[in-house]
Amino acid sequence: DTAVSQTPKYLVTQMGNDKSIKCEQNLGHDTMYWYKQDSKKFLKIMFSYNNKELIINETVPNRFSPKSPDKAHLNLHINSLELGDSAVYFCASRLGTSGGYTFGSGTRLTVV
Amino acid sequence: GENVEQHPSTLSVQEGDSAVIKCTYSDSASNYFPWYKQELGKRPQLIIDIRSNVGEKKDQRIAVTLNKTAKHFSLHITETQPEDSAVYFCAASTDTGFQKLVFGTGTRLLVSP
Repeated sequence: DTAVSQTPKYLVTQMGNDKSIKCEQNLGHDTMYWYKQDSKKFLKIMFSYNNKELIINETVPNRFSPKSPDKAHLNLHINSLELGDSAVYFCASRLGTSGGYTFGSGTRLTVV
Repeated sequence: GENVEQHPSTLSVQEGDSAVIKCTYSDSASNYFPWYKQELGKRPQLIIDIRSNVGEKKDQRIAVTLNKTAKHFSLHITETQPEDSAVYFCAASTDTGFQKLVFGTGTRLLVSP
């Protein structure tokens, strides 16, 4: 039933590793996003895809690479993880350009 | 680009009191202003939104007001309850094209019984 689902919910990994986070939405939305929430709770956009096409790419290190195999899925791959990558990563989706976002439950990434 | 400021960063009230959270935005083209509630360890959830063609919107104990001239918008919660305790985020964007939602820095609301 979950509208926007992310896996995994928790991810603990060592510096230098490569990891992926997956997101799927069953709302029929055509726009999906990745947001990063830091320890101070600030929500900052990273990427946005519309119908599998990248439309927003904020100033994010190129170690982060999003992939959208179809409009219901948006994955985030992170290479060479650093301590500063520790955060909660939220996937979100939206129908077109209007209305609010529906967020996933988040992935808490801890880099040790 | 858009910049959204939010105040206060923390707000403590007694149960039954009202709470007001204020935001200002910088981009006069912004025309969509949602508010999100995030409980501890949970996802942000949309609680109310307003568009720039409307000055005020209410939903039970929650209301949002918008002053386009001053580029201010506010969230008002009346008769607060302990379950209103959470972090609240304002946000702003345009509804044209694929514009991103820019979030405020959040307000931690604590409602004491």
